[in-house]
Amino acid sequence: QVQLQESGPGLVKPSQTLSLTCTVSGGSITSGSYYWSWIRQPAGKGLEWIGRIYNSGSTNYNPSLKSRVTISVDTSKNQFYLKVSSVTAADTAVYYCARGWFDPWGQGTLVTVSS
Amino acid sequence: QSGLTQPPSASGTPGQRVTISCSGSSSNIGTNTVNWYQQLPGTAPKLLIYSNNQRPSGVPDRFSGSKSGTSASLAISGLQSEDEADYYCAAWDDSLNGWVFGGGTKLTVL
Repeated sequence: QVQLQESGPGLVKPSQTLSLTCTVSGGSITSGSYYWSWIRQPAGKGLEWIGRIYNSGSTNYNPSLKSRVTISVDTSKNQFYLKVSSVTAADTAVYYCARGWFDPWGQGTLVTVSS
Repeated sequence: QSGLTQPPSASGTPGQRVTISCSGSSSNIGTNTVNWYQQLPGTAPKLLIYSNNQRPSGVPDRFSGSKSGTSASLAISGLQSEDEADYYCAAWDDSLNGWVFGGGTKLTVL
């Protein structure tokens, strides 16, 4: 079955850009009519949808983050990506990637914004 | 971003039936289907209910979902200790052109 795995730096300095990769295994990122999403969860808090991408490259973003977020896809690598610019401590969270209406999810990766 | 509204906590004893509510608006729950997710401590969320009331393969039939107007509910019957988790509802919002989540409900099995 399809599995997702997030990867990237666990520590990012304030004002810099957070960059994460989600690697899809067990199936092609182009198979089925799926969107691929990023979701985050600050410690002890709820889930926040960041945005999504279709394998054609079409994207939707959370309006509250849109000015700082870019999601892209590389179908040849079966990966999609998240960039969040100008990060602050408020961007510290566990970041998840997920397929479609969020099934399945990756295991999540903790990103801490600190100098 | 406006989200969906859930009670922060719920509780029940083993064997009981518990319901968790999720309130939205005409642009999200009123127009689109609702999904529910279960997040066990220290793990990633897992899809529990999709399209208001459908269970993915492997989800026990003790879990059920319903929707009416701009609200939805998750019911858990025959409560078990392993059901202790955080539960989230989610729906697509046509006004925001994005997904919105509820704030989550922490279920405690007494």
